[in-house]
This record gives sequence, structure tokens and C-alpha cells, in this order.
Amino acid sequence: NAGVTQTPKFRVLKTGQSMTLLCAQDMNHEYMYWYRQDPGMGLRLIHYSVGEGTTAKGEVPDGYNVSRLKKQNFLLGLESAAPSQTSVYFCASKNYGTSGGPNNEQFFGPGTRLTVL
Amino acid sequence: TQLLEQSPQFLSIQEGENLTVYCNSSSVFSSLQWYRQEPGEGPVLLVTVVTGGEVKKLKRLTFQFGDARKDSSLHITAAQPGDTGLYLCAGVKGNKLVFGAGTILRVKS
Repeated sequence: NAGVTQTPKFRVLKTGQSMTLLCAQDMNHEYMYWYRQDPGMGLRLIHYSVGEGTTAKGEVPDGYNVSRLKKQNFLLGLESAAPSQTSVYFCASKNYGTSGGPNNEQFFGPGTRLTVL
Repeated sequence: TQLLEQSPQFLSIQEGENLTVYCNSSSVFSSLQWYRQEPGEGPVLLVTVVTGGEVKKLKRLTFQFGDARKDSSLHITAAQPGDTGLYLCAGVKGNKLVFGAGTILRVKS
């Protein structure tokens, strides 16, 4: 199993350009998440999905859109990139389970480093 | 708003020393997780603590969950260069995680 994979690994955009980050998981997980990681701020949740066809806003959703058309894929879109969106983006997935149970582990991809000039 | 405060932010120690990382919050969590992240990779789960007062040991790592389920600590005994990395605590709220800012640990040989 490949686990969680992210495409691309690196990208440089100019302000105003758009792009889509792709996340794929082969573990048949119900939940998928998009985070951004900035120095000194840990990981902040952008959007998440509790199942195919569903999405919800996280802590920092502005400027991003997501889609979950297939269970295994979760796409993160930037319609008009801004320098403030320069960050490392991580996708994660999790199986269905209770909050304290063994199925609450989130599995992370290797990240996408995005620079917006 | 950072719901989870981690301290210290950065720690540089010699091989063989002991250290403790703290994770504090004013919120109650159903459980708390600790992740470790190496450069260029995503975080990997080390442990989940569920019950107030719980102590879990993972070889040289000891994790403790506060009685009120608002705080946690990670203690490493006899640190090794292989322990170098970013340590993140994360409070579990339903099916979401709230992360602390992380502690960068550097163990020098």
C-alpha cells in the first residue's frame, strides 16, 4: 500500500494563478483532511471531508476550495493564489472510529511545498 | 487562536540527556495524540492517551495525560541523535485534531 500520496511535491506560482493539489489514499479511509503548516504555527486545518461527496470548513478555509468526488481522492484548489498562501500543505486520512479509539490515527502524506511570488 | 500551547519551542541537547516537552490547554479533549515529524515528511503518530492521569511508555519515551484531560507531557530518557525531529501534540475534538505549534528537538552526538 502506498498510504497517502500528494501531487505535486513542489510548486511555484505567481500571485493570481490557480492550481489544484491532489491527495490520494489507498486505505479505504472515510475521512480526509487538508492542513497547512507554517513555521511556529503547527498544522492548521483548512478543509476536511467525512465521506465521498461531502466537505466542510476547517480553521483557515478562506481562499481555498475542495472536492471529494471519489472516496480515495481529496482535491485542494487555490483559485487566485496570494503570497500569504505560501506554505507546506499536508493531506491526511483517517478511518471511521470513535475519538479515543484505535481508529483515530491520522495518516499523513509527504506534503507539498508551495511558494507564491 | 492556538488552543494548545507547547513548550519549549526549541530544544538543543547533548546525547544522553533527559528532556520533557509540555502541551497545555484551557480546553478539555476526549484524547490527546503525540506525533513526530522529520524534515520533508508528514507527521507520524507516536501515541494516543485517552484517560485522565494515563501514562504510556514507548521504549525511552513516556507520555502522560493530565487528570483533567487538558494537558500532556512527553519525557525522553537518554536522548539519542535519532530522536531529532519536530514533536507535535494534538488534541482530539470529534473527528478533528487541534495541533500545538510543535517543539523542535535537536540531539547532538
